[in-house]
Amino acid sequence: AQSVTQPDIHITVSEGASLELRCNYSYGATPYLFWYVQSPGQGLQLLLKYFSGDTLVQGIKGFEAEFKRSQSSFNLRKPSVHWSDAAEYFCAVGARGAAGNKLTFGGGTRVLVKP
Amino acid sequence: KAGVTQTPRYLIKTRGQQVTLSCSPISGHRSVSWYQQTPGQGLQFLFEYFSETQRNKGNFPGRFSGRQFSNSRSEMNVSTLELGDSALYLCASSGQRANTGELFFGEGSRLTVL
Repeated sequence: AQSVTQPDIHITVSEGASLELRCNYSYGATPYLFWYVQSPGQGLQLLLKYFSGDTLVQGIKGFEAEFKRSQSSFNLRKPSVHWSDAAEYFCAVGARGAAGNKLTFGGGTRVLVKP
Repeated sequence: KAGVTQTPRYLIKTRGQQVTLSCSPISGHRSVSWYQQTPGQGLQFLFEYFSETQRNKGNFPGRFSGRQFSNSRSEMNVSTLELGDSALYLCASSGQRANTGELFFGEGSRLTVL
């Protein structure tokens, strides 16, 4: 069975500083990989996704993520954080070849941004 | 184009009652998935419907059920409510037939069971 681990429950970062959120997955092959963001009282919004090809993927809001097969990781980064980036971030995996849109989510990392 | 709409946004029920939640997907989307979000268990997959057929199912008891109508709108039902069913129930739609994971989420229905 696939699983996703986000080791950091909370991260506090100063506005303008860089941000890196960790994600490790367990899956027999290369899964589809995603990062979603959830602002308070809102649903989830897709930030970026990895299906195949270039292991560095760009997303919305200035985020990027790097897939590292050898480490089973898909870490999310942003060079300079804005106050509006305060939210909860979820890494997710989907099974290749499976019919349907079933995702397995990590526990989430809550990001606090200090002024 | 309008996003995913979930109703009601908030509701309070008592143990033993049942509840029905509704989800209207983005126009043209035929896949609708449901997730339960709680502080303790995080985001857990309930089920997915595509063209009125349940395509995937998570590990939830039979008290949790769903259906999809010909216009792609979906409902989920929870019978004999328990305190542990208190959660944010998120609906997501997708326009992709295969599993791409590009889901568009609604704002959720927050259920409180007393």
